[in-house]
Amino acid sequence: GAGVSQSPSNKVTEKGKDVELRCDPISGHTALYWYRQSLGQGLEFLIYFQGNSAPDKSGLPSDRFSAERTGGSVSTLTIQRTQQEDSAVYLCASSLVLAGGPEDIQYFGAGTRLSVL
Amino acid sequence: QKEVEQDPGPLSVPEGAIVSLNCTYSNSAFQYFMWYRQYSRKGPELLMYTYSSGNKEDGRFTAQVDKSSKYISLFIRDSQPSDSATYLCAMSETGGFQKLVFGTGTRLLVSP
Repeated sequence: GAGVSQSPSNKVTEKGKDVELRCDPISGHTALYWYRQSLGQGLEFLIYFQGNSAPDKSGLPSDRFSAERTGGSVSTLTIQRTQQEDSAVYLCASSLVLAGGPEDIQYFGAGTRLSVL
Repeated sequence: QKEVEQDPGPLSVPEGAIVSLNCTYSNSAFQYFMWYRQYSRKGPELLMYTYSSGNKEDGRFTAQVDKSSKYISLFIRDSQPSDSATYLCAMSETGGFQKLVFGTGTRLLVSP
């Protein structure tokens, strides 16, 4: 596909359940980012992957959150034992390289809207 | 206090008006400044980016950065109904677009 693809587009789950959110970045993009967008809070950085380097997990809010990127492409964000405060839109973005120039533009997917009941 | 402050709006203007959107920030290490536009139920898309202080113009859009005041602006001339969206400012300390810090976004409504 031409853009960043995220699935599912909507997810409703019960408190305490685990959820997995998927991101397919733009082909050839080496960097991948996860953000969380809560009402009135803006976008909050969660984690990013760059090539084969260790991911920067500094934005993950708790150890219930984890992410992996397989084969340098598809990424999965997992939230264990979901809480109501986890309800938000989870956005994935990818970029071509990290070199400090225009090629570093992050292209966003449409997001996964997570509702924890 | 948040690192980046942005009025959530909504900001309602008639078609053809000049729109001014603004953000203030507290981290003097920010060097890269971006404006994203986000339509409802879509991901943000980059509109403009600038490095350090100064102005940058692209069509109807002008971005201004005043690092001494820690204040950035986005001006939209001849606003159109299609400009109705949420506008998010974003900033980064390091080269490139790593770990962007976003404002909460300003919702803009342009009426025909």
